[in-house]
This record gives sequence, structure tokens and C-alpha cells, in this order.
Amino acid sequence: KQEVTQIPAALSVPEGENLVLNCSFTDSAIYNLQWFRQDPGKGLTSLLLIQSSQREQTSGRLNASLDKSSGRSTLYIAASQPGDSATYLCAVDFGGSQGNLIFGKGTKLSVKP
Amino acid sequence: EAGVAQSPRYKIIEKRQSVAFWCNPISGHATLYWYQQILGQGPKLLIQFQNNGVVDDSQLPKDRFSAERLKGVDSTLKIQPAKLEDSAVYLCASSPAPYIYEQYFGPGTRLTVT
Repeated sequence: KQEVTQIPAALSVPEGENLVLNCSFTDSAIYNLQWFRQDPGKGLTSLLLIQSSQREQTSGRLNASLDKSSGRSTLYIAASQPGDSATYLCAVDFGGSQGNLIFGKGTKLSVKP
Repeated sequence: EAGVAQSPRYKIIEKRQSVAFWCNPISGHATLYWYQQILGQGPKLLIQFQNNGVVDDSQLPKDRFSAERLKGVDSTLKIQPAKLEDSAVYLCASSPAPYIYEQYFGPGTRLTVT
């Protein structure tokens, strides 16, 4: 069964700290992996998309890496800010059905001022 | 560029009633998805359209859920009759095409079934 796991479920850090969110997935034969942010009561905002052939993607203070062989991805957030507080979701396209994303349950991040 | 639009944003109904949700994807996006997100869980795909054709509805409870995409643009998702366990956020997403493009999500419709 294709599954995506995110640990920890919740994380609290002081402002300014660098942090890493983890995502693991079964089955290394993936098409792509996408990181999303979800604010309370809102939809999902795409942060980074990593294609199967790529090792990492960067956008501003965010850096996502992909290691297919170990079935892992990390989202690195540099110099965290209170505005980064949200739930971060990892989603994997295993290629089973034309772009069907399998989501993890997310990591709820709280950045304390 | 306008994002994915959804309405209504909130809906409260009693069990056994029917409800419909509407989605307008980003202009030019051929692929449209409906997801169900239960509280504390990640979204789960219900149905995927490519233009106006269904490419994946394997996780859609077809005895009560139905969806259509008119003329390959707007889409509606219907539940009839609703059950308590249908309480969730229903998210619509679109992308230019599957596989290599990221998916863009709408704000969702929060459904409460009492």
C-alpha cells in the first residue's frame, strides 16, 4: 500500500530557529513530491514541487530535498518567523493514476515570537 | 491570474439531506480534482477529471456521491443522501496537466452534517 508519513505531528520552535520537517513514503518509484502549506480554515498553498529526477528545490527561505532510494523528503525552513506557523503537508504522486497525490497527515508548526 | 474558486465556503445540513459544491478552476487548466479532508487528516482524492472526462473515481462513494465537469471547465460535486461521516472540508484543485505540474487548490467548502 502506498503511504506517506510525516513526523512529528506537531512542532513548536522559537522565532529565528532553523528547522526541518520530515516526510517518508513507501515505494521509491515516484513521479514527483509536493510540499504544501495549510493555514487554519484555508485551502492548500503549494510551496515546492520536486520532480522525480531532481534532488532539491529552493524558494526563498525554504529548501526541499528528495532521496528516492531511502523514501524520504525534508523541508528546511531557515530563520523561522511567526508567520510560518501553519500545517505543512507532504504529498507524493506515485504515478498510479495520472497525477493522483497521496498526502501525509501533516506537521503542525508553531513559531513562537 | 485568478485562483481556484469554490462555493459555498460553509454548509450545514442534516443527515439524509442533499448538498452540492461548485468549483471553477484556473483558466486553461485541463485537470481538475476533488479531495475530501477529514479533520486531522491529509486530503484524499475523490475524483479526477481530464477536460470533461473522468480519469479516476476509484475512491468516490458512488452510492451517494456524484460529480460532473461541464464543458471541461466548472465542476459540481453532489452528496445525496449525506451521512454524519461526510463532515469534512471538500477541496477542489486544478493543474494544467497531470504528473509534471503542481496542483493549485481552492479555499475549500467546510461541510457539517448533523
